Amino acid sequence: DIVMTQSPLSLPVTPGEPASISCRSSQSLLYINGYNHLDWYLQKPGQSPQLLIYLTSNRASGVPDRFSGSGSGTDFTLRISRVEAEDVGVYYCMQAVQTPITFGQGTRLEIK
Amino acid sequence: EVQLVESGGGLVQPGGSLRLSCAASGFTFSSYEMNWVRQAPGKGLEWVSYISHIGTTIYYADSVKGRFTISRDNAKNSLYLQLNSLRAEDTAVYYCARDGVGDWIGLDYWGQGTLVTVSS
Repeated sequence: DIVMTQSPLSLPVTPGEPASISCRSSQSLLYINGYNHLDWYLQKPGQSPQLLIYLTSNRASGVPDRFSGSGSGTDFTLRISRVEAEDVGVYYCMQAVQTPITFGQGTRLEIK
Repeated sequence: EVQLVESGGGLVQPGGSLRLSCAASGFTFSSYEMNWVRQAPGKGLEWVSYISHIGTTIYYADSVKGRFTISRDNAKNSLYLQLNSLRAEDTAVYYCARDGVGDWIGLDYWGQGTLVTVSS
């Protein structure tokens, strides 16, 4: 199974400041179609997870452009250009290059 | 509006069974692949199972293989997960999540989840 490792696990951020989360996979997430199958999800308090980014860098519908994703192979990053209060929650990376689909441990973003 | 509504969770004794349902609306259910993902209390997300849009391809996590069965009824716009031989470690909120067709677009819609508690 592909192991997904996120860092940091806790991320206190001042509103308006940038934030970034790292995700590393134990194997390459490059699929035969040329895309890295790495997604980012946010689970806000008391809610279901929601898709933020798919295929490394594509924002899901309705996701603000302050969220961006990058990376390739085994190293990926989610960046928030200016954190807002509504961004609090747990962020998960997820690989879908092979089954079983696996998630990172989650990174809890909190507002300072 | 896309909606996924899970039901069927509850309290069950170890070794018991439950059948979870996920009612889909607002999209052409038969065109989409579907997944079940679970989350133990206070823990992270764990993928459980996948089914292709016509049900011909199915995958399971090793932790549930041989005990859980995923199925779908496209005429009823419904996804199911049969849980047998339940263990305490199966206690979790179970979410159904929509997959794409063809190109990967992520798990773009999730239900609100249904809680399964396995305890004597």
